[in-house]
Amino acid sequence: ILNVEQSPQSLHVQEGDSTNFTCSFPSSNFYALHWYRWETAKSPEALFVMTLNGDEKKKGRISATLNTKEGYSYLYIKGSQPEDSATYLCAFARLTGGGNKLTFGTGTQLKVEL
Amino acid sequence: ETGVTQTPRHLVMGMTNKKSLKCEQHLGHNAMYWYKQSAKKPLELMFVYNFKEQTENNSVPSRFSPECPNSSHLFLHLHTLQPEDSALYLCASSHRQEAQETQYFGPGTRLLVL
Repeated sequence: ILNVEQSPQSLHVQEGDSTNFTCSFPSSNFYALHWYRWETAKSPEALFVMTLNGDEKKKGRISATLNTKEGYSYLYIKGSQPEDSATYLCAFARLTGGGNKLTFGTGTQLKVEL
Repeated sequence: ETGVTQTPRHLVMGMTNKKSLKCEQHLGHNAMYWYKQSAKKPLELMFVYNFKEQTENNSVPSRFSPECPNSSHLFLHLHTLQPEDSALYLCASSHRQEAQETQYFGPGTRLLVL
Protein backbone atom coordinates (compact mmCIF):
# COMPACT_ATOMS: atom_id res chain seq x y z
CA ILE A 1 0.00 0.00 0.00
CA LEU A 2 1.41 3.39 -0.99
CA ASN A 3 1.04 6.20 1.52
CA VAL A 4 1.05 9.78 0.39
CA GLU A 5 0.93 12.10 3.38
CA GLN A 6 0.15 15.80 3.26
CA SER A 7 0.63 18.29 6.05
CA PRO A 8 -0.83 20.29 7.52
CA GLN A 9 -4.37 19.02 7.01
CA SER A 10 -5.70 22.58 7.08
CA LEU A 11 -4.27 26.05 7.29
CA HIS A 12 -5.69 29.52 7.92
CA VAL A 13 -3.54 32.47 6.89
CA GLN A 14 -4.05 36.18 6.47
CA GLU A 15 -4.03 37.88 3.10
CA GLY A 16 -0.46 38.69 2.13
CA ASP A 17 1.10 35.88 4.18
CA SER A 18 3.36 33.40 2.48
CA THR A 19 2.78 29.76 3.25
CA ASN A 20 3.96 26.30 2.38
CA PHE A 21 2.75 22.73 2.67
CA THR A 22 4.41 19.34 2.48
CA CYS A 23 3.73 16.19 0.51
CA SER A 24 5.56 13.01 1.59
CA PHE A 25 5.70 9.92 -0.59
CA PRO A 26 7.66 6.67 -0.90
CA SER A 27 11.13 7.39 -2.26
CA SER A 28 11.50 4.03 -4.03
CA ASN A 29 10.44 3.57 -7.65
CA PHE A 30 9.58 7.24 -8.02
CA TYR A 31 8.20 8.29 -11.40
CA ALA A 32 6.26 11.55 -11.05
CA LEU A 33 4.68 13.88 -8.52
CA HIS A 34 1.61 15.94 -9.34
CA TRP A 35 0.14 18.95 -7.56
CA TYR A 36 -3.49 19.92 -8.01
CA ARG A 37 -5.57 22.80 -6.73
CA TRP A 38 -9.21 22.05 -5.94
CA GLU A 39 -11.73 24.77 -5.22
CA THR A 40 -15.04 23.80 -3.68
CA ALA A 41 -17.67 22.73 -6.24
CA LYS A 42 -15.15 22.94 -9.08
CA SER A 43 -12.85 20.52 -10.88
CA PRO A 44 -9.36 19.80 -9.56
CA GLU A 45 -6.94 21.90 -11.57
CA ALA A 46 -3.42 20.76 -12.40
CA LEU A 47 -0.62 22.96 -11.06
CA PHE A 48 2.59 21.04 -11.65
CA VAL A 49 3.97 17.70 -12.75
CA MET A 50 7.47 17.06 -11.45
CA THR A 51 9.70 14.19 -12.44
CA LEU A 52 13.33 15.01 -11.62
CA ASN A 53 15.03 15.22 -8.22
CA GLY A 54 15.71 18.87 -7.48
CA ASP A 55 12.97 20.08 -9.84
CA GLU A 56 11.58 23.50 -9.08
CA LYS A 57 8.48 24.74 -10.85
CA LYS A 58 6.71 28.07 -10.67
CA LYS A 59 3.32 29.37 -11.74
CA GLY A 60 2.69 32.96 -10.74
CA ARG A 61 2.90 33.17 -6.95
CA ILE A 62 2.90 29.39 -6.53
CA SER A 63 6.04 27.29 -6.69
CA ALA A 64 7.01 23.72 -5.85
CA THR A 65 10.18 21.79 -5.16
CA LEU A 66 10.89 18.09 -5.32
CA ASN A 67 13.24 15.80 -3.41
CA THR A 68 12.86 12.26 -4.69
CA LYS A 69 15.72 10.82 -2.61
CA GLU A 70 14.04 11.66 0.68
CA GLY A 71 10.49 11.50 -0.66
CA TYR A 72 8.99 14.94 -0.24
CA SER A 73 7.74 17.94 -2.17
CA TYR A 74 6.97 21.43 -0.91
CA LEU A 75 4.37 23.77 -2.35
CA TYR A 76 4.88 27.47 -1.64
CA ILE A 77 2.41 30.31 -2.05
CA LYS A 78 3.85 33.80 -1.86
CA GLY A 79 1.59 36.66 -0.76
CA SER A 80 -1.57 34.59 -0.31
CA GLN A 81 -4.80 36.02 -1.69
CA PRO A 82 -8.40 35.03 -0.87
CA GLU A 83 -8.69 33.42 -4.30
CA ASP A 84 -5.93 30.99 -3.27
CA SER A 85 -8.37 29.41 -0.83
CA ALA A 86 -8.70 25.80 -1.97
CA THR A 87 -7.59 22.27 -1.19
CA TYR A 88 -4.14 21.47 -2.54
CA LEU A 89 -3.63 17.84 -3.49
CA CYS A 90 -0.48 16.00 -4.33
CA ALA A 91 -0.42 12.70 -6.17
CA PHE A 92 2.42 10.23 -6.54
CA ALA A 93 3.08 8.01 -9.53
CA ARG A 94 5.25 4.96 -8.99
CA LEU A 95 7.41 3.37 -11.66
CA THR A 96 5.50 0.27 -12.64
CA GLY A 97 4.44 -1.28 -15.88
CA GLY A 98 0.92 -0.08 -15.31
CA GLY A 99 0.88 3.34 -16.86
CA ASN A 100 -0.52 6.43 -15.25
CA LYS A 101 -1.78 5.39 -11.82
CA LEU A 102 -1.79 8.21 -9.30
CA THR A 103 -2.02 7.78 -5.53
CA PHE A 104 -3.42 10.92 -3.96
CA GLY A 105 -2.93 12.45 -0.54
CA THR A 106 -5.88 13.77 1.44
CA GLY A 107 -4.89 17.35 0.71
CA THR A 108 -4.13 20.56 2.57
CA GLN A 109 -7.13 22.84 2.91
CA LEU A 110 -6.03 26.47 2.72
CA LYS A 111 -8.22 29.36 3.84
CA VAL A 112 -6.94 32.87 3.17
CA GLU A 113 -8.71 35.51 5.22
CA LEU A 114 -8.90 39.24 4.60
CA GLU B 1 -12.92 25.19 -18.05
CA THR B 2 -11.18 21.84 -18.09
CA GLY B 3 -12.98 20.43 -21.10
CA VAL B 4 -14.26 17.47 -19.09
CA THR B 5 -17.96 17.44 -18.29
CA GLN B 6 -19.91 15.12 -16.03
CA THR B 7 -23.63 14.53 -15.70
CA PRO B 8 -25.55 14.51 -13.53
CA ARG B 9 -23.84 16.72 -10.95
CA HIS B 10 -25.99 15.35 -8.15
CA LEU B 11 -27.78 12.02 -7.87
CA VAL B 12 -29.90 10.43 -5.19
CA MET B 13 -30.77 6.78 -5.66
CA GLY B 14 -32.22 3.92 -3.71
CA MET B 15 -30.36 0.66 -3.21
CA THR B 16 -32.53 -1.12 -5.80
CA ASN B 17 -32.19 1.53 -8.50
CA LYS B 18 -30.05 1.42 -11.62
CA LYS B 19 -28.45 4.65 -12.76
CA SER B 20 -25.55 5.76 -14.92
CA LEU B 21 -22.96 8.51 -14.61
CA LYS B 22 -21.70 10.09 -17.79
CA CYS B 23 -18.38 11.72 -18.55
CA GLU B 24 -17.37 13.45 -21.76
CA GLN B 25 -14.02 14.98 -22.64
CA HIS B 26 -13.50 17.50 -25.42
CA LEU B 27 -9.69 17.48 -25.27
CA GLY B 28 -8.85 14.76 -27.78
CA HIS B 29 -7.38 12.58 -25.04
CA ASN B 30 -6.93 8.83 -25.24
CA ALA B 31 -7.03 7.83 -21.58
CA MET B 32 -9.98 8.22 -19.20
CA TYR B 33 -10.33 7.52 -15.50
CA TRP B 34 -12.97 7.09 -12.80
CA TYR B 35 -12.11 8.15 -9.27
CA LYS B 36 -14.07 7.98 -6.05
CA GLN B 37 -13.74 10.34 -3.11
CA SER B 38 -15.44 9.31 0.10
CA ALA B 39 -15.66 11.69 3.05
CA LYS B 40 -12.29 12.36 4.72
CA LYS B 41 -10.51 10.04 2.30
CA PRO B 42 -8.17 10.71 -0.62
CA LEU B 43 -9.18 10.37 -4.24
CA GLU B 44 -9.16 6.68 -5.06
CA LEU B 45 -8.67 5.33 -8.57
CA MET B 46 -11.42 2.97 -9.71
CA PHE B 47 -10.97 2.30 -13.44
CA VAL B 48 -8.69 3.31 -16.28
CA TYR B 49 -9.43 3.11 -20.00
CA ASN B 50 -6.78 3.62 -22.65
CA PHE B 51 -7.92 3.82 -26.28
CA LYS B 52 -11.31 2.41 -25.16
CA GLU B 53 -9.72 -0.64 -23.54
CA GLN B 54 -9.95 -1.12 -19.78
CA THR B 55 -6.42 -1.26 -18.40
CA GLU B 56 -7.10 -0.97 -14.68
CA ASN B 57 -9.78 -2.21 -12.32
CA ASN B 58 -8.73 -1.28 -8.81
CA SER B 59 -10.63 -4.13 -7.11
CA VAL B 60 -13.93 -2.33 -7.59
CA PRO B 61 -17.13 -4.26 -6.68
CA SER B 62 -19.15 -5.50 -9.64
CA ARG B 63 -22.08 -3.25 -8.72
CA PHE B 64 -20.00 -0.57 -10.49
CA SER B 65 -19.77 -1.29 -14.20
CA PRO B 66 -17.77 1.05 -16.46
CA GLU B 67 -18.25 1.47 -20.18
CA CYS B 68 -16.10 3.35 -22.67
CA PRO B 69 -17.74 3.34 -26.13
CA ASN B 70 -15.17 5.73 -27.59
CA SER B 71 -12.22 7.82 -26.41
CA SER B 72 -14.44 10.81 -25.65
CA HIS B 73 -17.11 9.17 -23.50
CA LEU B 74 -16.99 7.20 -20.29
CA PHE B 75 -19.90 5.84 -18.31
CA LEU B 76 -20.24 4.33 -14.87
CA HIS B 77 -23.29 2.12 -14.54
CA LEU B 78 -24.56 1.70 -11.00
CA HIS B 79 -26.84 -1.03 -9.68
CA THR B 80 -27.78 -2.33 -6.24
CA LEU B 81 -25.49 0.15 -4.52
CA GLN B 82 -25.01 0.37 -0.78
CA PRO B 83 -25.23 3.49 1.40
CA GLU B 84 -21.43 3.34 1.85
CA ASP B 85 -21.09 3.95 -1.89
CA SER B 86 -22.27 7.51 -1.31
CA ALA B 87 -19.37 9.67 -2.44
CA LEU B 88 -18.11 12.12 -5.05
CA TYR B 89 -17.30 10.39 -8.33
CA LEU B 90 -14.79 12.17 -10.52
CA CYS B 91 -13.89 11.53 -14.12
CA ALA B 92 -10.54 12.53 -15.60
CA SER B 93 -8.74 12.26 -18.91
CA SER B 94 -5.17 12.52 -20.14
CA HIS B 95 -3.49 12.56 -23.51
CA ARG B 96 -1.82 9.23 -22.84
CA GLN B 97 -1.82 6.76 -19.98
CA GLU B 98 1.60 7.88 -18.74
CA ALA B 99 2.59 8.84 -15.20
CA GLN B 100 3.94 12.24 -16.19
CA GLU B 101 0.82 13.20 -18.12
CA THR B 102 -1.45 15.76 -16.51
CA GLN B 103 -4.91 14.48 -15.79
CA TYR B 104 -7.82 16.85 -16.44
CA PHE B 105 -10.76 16.40 -14.13
CA GLY B 106 -14.46 16.96 -14.42
CA PRO B 107 -16.45 18.59 -11.61
CA GLY B 108 -17.74 15.28 -10.30
CA THR B 109 -21.09 13.68 -9.52
CA ARG B 110 -22.17 13.81 -5.89
CA LEU B 111 -23.97 10.50 -5.25
CA LEU B 112 -26.20 9.72 -2.30
CA VAL B 113 -27.45 6.18 -1.86
CA LEU B 114 -30.43 5.81 0.43
